[in-house]
Amino acid sequence: EAGVVQSPRYKIIEKKQPVAFWCNPISGHNTLYWYLQNLGQGPELLIRYENEEAVDDSQLPKDRFSAERLKGVDSTLKIQPAELGDSAVYLCASAPGSGETQYFGPGTRLLVL
Amino acid sequence: DQQVKQNSPSLSVQEGRISILNCDYTNSMFDYFLWYKKYPAEGPTFLISISSIKDKNEDGRFTVFLNKSAKHLSLHIVPSQPGDSAVYFCAATGGANSKLTFGKGITLSVRP
Repeated sequence: EAGVVQSPRYKIIEKKQPVAFWCNPISGHNTLYWYLQNLGQGPELLIRYENEEAVDDSQLPKDRFSAERLKGVDSTLKIQPAELGDSAVYLCASAPGSGETQYFGPGTRLLVL
Repeated sequence: DQQVKQNSPSLSVQEGRISILNCDYTNSMFDYFLWYKKYPAEGPTFLISISSIKDKNEDGRFTVFLNKSAKHLSLHIVPSQPGDSAVYFCAATGGANSKLTFGKGITLSVRP
């Protein structure tokens, strides 16, 4: 069974530019998460989806970050405009349902110059 | 405020010996605890979990112990193998939502 797929794996952009990350969860997984991982830290939740509904986006910086999960399957996370401090790894995870074990993708490593 | 704490940033053990990775938490609402393992350039991989109704869960070479009164859990790996060298994250969840709160991770190095 295929795991969580993320693309791109690496992205380098200049500050103030927009950037988007894509995630394809494990087939049949209704719950999808986006995490931010800074160097030397554990992942921190940005947003959680139950199917197509964002049920917890309290940690998402809404002035520059946005996310969507159309049709309750794939999801995109966007930053516009990017800032230097956004350099980090962005992880996507999925689970069969809320409260169940989360399975992570490989992440997208973002570098903002 | 770190609700899940992994106070030791690194651990080095000899192959074949026991590795003990520690984790402390402060939130009394946490009732489910997980360990994830992460290799460089990969996402975290689920390793083992434990519910607060148990004090021990074993899966092969991996055992997690939970001491609720001390708000402490530990992951034991025995015998340790070089392939176990990775970053290990302790995570906890509980309460009304399924949000996972992670520690900072500990880097385990198993020497051949």
